Formats: sequence, structure tokens, C-alpha cells
Amino acid sequence: EVQLVESGGGLVKTGGSLRLSCAASGFTFSDYNMNWVRQGPGKGLEWVSSISSYSDYIYYADSVKGRFTISRDNAKNSLYLQMNSLRTDDTAVYYCARDGSALPYYWGQGTLVTVSS
Amino acid sequence: QSALTQPRSVSGSPGQSVTISCTGTSSDVGGYNYVSWYQQHPGKAPKVIIYDVTKRPSGVPDRFSGSKSGNTASLTISGLQAEDEGDYYCCSYAGSYTVFGGGTKLTVL
Repeated sequence: EVQLVESGGGLVKTGGSLRLSCAASGFTFSDYNMNWVRQGPGKGLEWVSSISSYSDYIYYADSVKGRFTISRDNAKNSLYLQMNSLRTDDTAVYYCARDGSALPYYWGQGTLVTVSS
Repeated sequence: QSALTQPRSVSGSPGQSVTISCTGTSSDVGGYNYVSWYQQHPGKAPKVIIYDVTKRPSGVPDRFSGSKSGNTASLTISGLQAEDEGDYYCCSYAGSYTVFGGGTKLTVL
């Protein structure tokens, strides 16, 4: 059974940093592209970033480019999101998601990031 | 990286059919056969119900179907049931990015 468990969320002040982690199990982690997707309070889903199976392709949404860094450790079956220069509009539940063919397929339960001034 | 366009809400009575549209551009929906649909209930993570435009994951009822014409993808739910009420999001591959629709709230009357 595919399992994705996010951690690292919490309360941080504007301009601060936070590192999210996603522990994957139930599949061969190094075979799949991975994603971070977020959902602000009462809002829709927003794609944040994607990373290919061996980190050779990395993409970011314009809203986070230059502030967020996605990475993965295939030996540890883990995905990460380093978030710097956080803003209040980064407040959201952050989901880790594994690709199916080319888009998110399996999702974790999410971790809440709250950025306050 | 503009969001795909979905109706904000749709509704139907039990047993009826509803269709949710998802309009993009030739750079996303129209350019690739990678469109997914997700169902989300309050407080829960999204769940994929359609992928690769028309495919259903195992366990998803065949009442759910997907299609695409040009730059517009559609999700049809036939034989509406009370448990279908929730939020639905389309999503498209766009090469160097992924884009979601704004979401559609389905109300079962």
C-alpha cells in the first residue's frame, strides 16, 4: 500500500523558514516523480513544485520560484521542501503527492503551514 | 501558469447526471493527454478519480467518466449519489509545470 506521510509544518513568522519532509513507503521511491501541492484556507489546490525520479528535472510555480527548494533522498525514501522568505499567502496545507503517469496520483494527508506577521 | 477554468458550482438530484468542464489552452489541456480529476471531501486529501483524460483507478465507480475536446476536458458523473457531494478539481500537465483548475463544488440536492 502506498503511503505518504508529511511532517514539518507549523507556525512561523513572515520572512522565516521551514523545511517540510515526506516519508514514502509501499512503492519503489526512486521510480517515481514527486510533487508538492498546497491548499490555502478555503481555497483550491495549487501546484508548488515537482522533481523527477533522480532529481534531474525540477520545476517550480512562479509564486514560489527563488524562495522554495524541492529535493529528495532516494536512499531514505524521502521528499523535502525547503521554504524560505515565507509570506502570509504561503499559509496552506502542503501535500506530498506521487505521480501516476504524469500528474499527482497518490496523496499524503498534508501538513499545515501557518505564516503570521 | 494560469489556472484552468472550472464552474464554481454544479448541482443535481440523486440519479441524475452532471458534467463539470475544465478549460485550458493548447499549452496544457489541449497539448497533452494528461488530465486528471480529483474528488475532495471536507478535511480530507484529494483522491484521483480520473487520470490520463479517460482512465479510472481501480475502485472508482464507472459512474465517473472523463473526456476531452480541444482545450476543454470534462468530468461526467452519472447516477448521482449523496456521497458524490464535494469539491472536484481538474489538473493538467503542461511540460515544465502542472496546473489545477479552481475547483467545482458539487451539491447533491
